[in-house]
Amino acid sequence: ETGVTQTPRHLVMGMTNKKSLKCEQHLGHNAMYWYKQSAKKPLELMFVYSLEERVENNSVPSRFSPECPNSSHLFLHLHTLQPEDSALYLCASSQGRVQATNEKLFFGSGTQLSVL
Amino acid sequence: AQTVTQSQPEMSVQEAETVTLSCTYDTSESDYYLFWYKQPPSRQMILVIRQEAYKQQNATENRFSVNFQKAAKSFSLKISDSQLGDAAMYFCAYSTDYGGYQKVTFGTGTKLQVIP
Repeated sequence: ETGVTQTPRHLVMGMTNKKSLKCEQHLGHNAMYWYKQSAKKPLELMFVYSLEERVENNSVPSRFSPECPNSSHLFLHLHTLQPEDSALYLCASSQGRVQATNEKLFFGSGTQLSVL
Repeated sequence: AQTVTQSQPEMSVQEAETVTLSCTYDTSESDYYLFWYKQPPSRQMILVIRQEAYKQQNATENRFSVNFQKAAKSFSLKISDSQLGDAAMYFCAYSTDYGGYQKVTFGTGTKLQVIP
């Protein structure tokens, strides 16, 4: 049981390209997240949306632009990326209740991004 | 800021044996939750077990159990009767309440190999 789908699974792009990552959940969750996973580093929280409103932006460069058009969909728009942005980008969702501390995150399988 | 430390980058265990993965964390909060997530080669992270900081009793989920030492800020995961399907990356994680969403801090992970 996961219910979080990410596309594409793999993406190779040049530094001048513009691309978008897509995340979709049909679990009825209210909170959605973007994480960056690089080798030998902890997962980095990039953005959080709660009830379609961005509530966290952890000093992410402006070349990453999130969009949450509704509670089921989350996008990460990419432009003029750098080679160091190559990583696995994971989307997650959670129920988003008021007392959310013990909620588990439901993850997608990620998009493996390579920037050339 | 909260930090989570996993000092074992890699571990191995014989099938059917028991293995313990270590995790320590640093926080000034009194109310928080701790998690262990598993990431198999499919890349999709799934929750293994969670522990409420205010509960003294250690959580258990079938073959998985934790040893939670709040004063020492230690949260280790014990896997009993290890199976080949347990081979994965294991991430220790910490969460506090942000009202409607999770702000989860992850460790760097421990790669577990299960030897037949």
